[in-house]
Amino acid sequence: NAGVTQTPKFRILKIGQSMTLQCAQDMNHNYMYWYRQDPGMGLKLIYYSVGAGITDKGEVPNGYNVSRSTTEDFPLRLELAAPSQTSVYFCASSPGTYQPQHFGDGTRLSIL
Amino acid sequence: GQQVMQIPQYQHVQEGEDFTTYCNSSTTLSNIQWYKQRPGGHPVFLIQLVKSGEVKKQKRLTFQFGEAKKNSSLHITATQTTDVGTYFCAGGSQGNLIFGKGTKLSVKP
Repeated sequence: NAGVTQTPKFRILKIGQSMTLQCAQDMNHNYMYWYRQDPGMGLKLIYYSVGAGITDKGEVPNGYNVSRSTTEDFPLRLELAAPSQTSVYFCASSPGTYQPQHFGDGTRLSIL
Repeated sequence: GQQVMQIPQYQHVQEGEDFTTYCNSSTTLSNIQWYKQRPGGHPVFLIQLVKSGEVKKQKRLTFQFGEAKKNSSLHITATQTTDVGTYFCAGGSQGNLIFGKGTKLSVKP
């Protein structure tokens, strides 16, 4: 059972480039989340989804977009990458509201 | 917006000493969860507390949920080097799980 799988694990982008961070879960969880974690800091919620076709903004959505076309996948899109978006990005899933979240291994993204 | 405050931000202990981290909310929480993140790793779910005054134990770890469901604590007895990492609480409120900023624990052997 793979759980939550994130790709890529590492990426370096140039300022202004775009990319998509992939997240897939095989636990049939309805809820999925994207967080960013800056060095030595806590988790900040970027976007979340309560089911296929439904997405909503979290605390820090600016500069990001998401889609949820299937239960399994929840990609995060960065448009016009900026140095402030250098961070570790975690995807997580849970069965429902207030349920324990299962995290992927993260994507370490540097924008230079 | 809704916040869950966690203290201390950092804690350095000698191996064998006890450790406690505290989590506080200004509003009543539906539940509280605790996660551990090892250095370079991802958060891993430890436990969930739901009932007022609930206490749960996992080996050397003791978790408490306050009577008013506004605060919680994690206590580790006789820390070991394997306890190193950041401990996050997360409180359920208004349909969302709100994470505290975490307490980073370092253990000196």
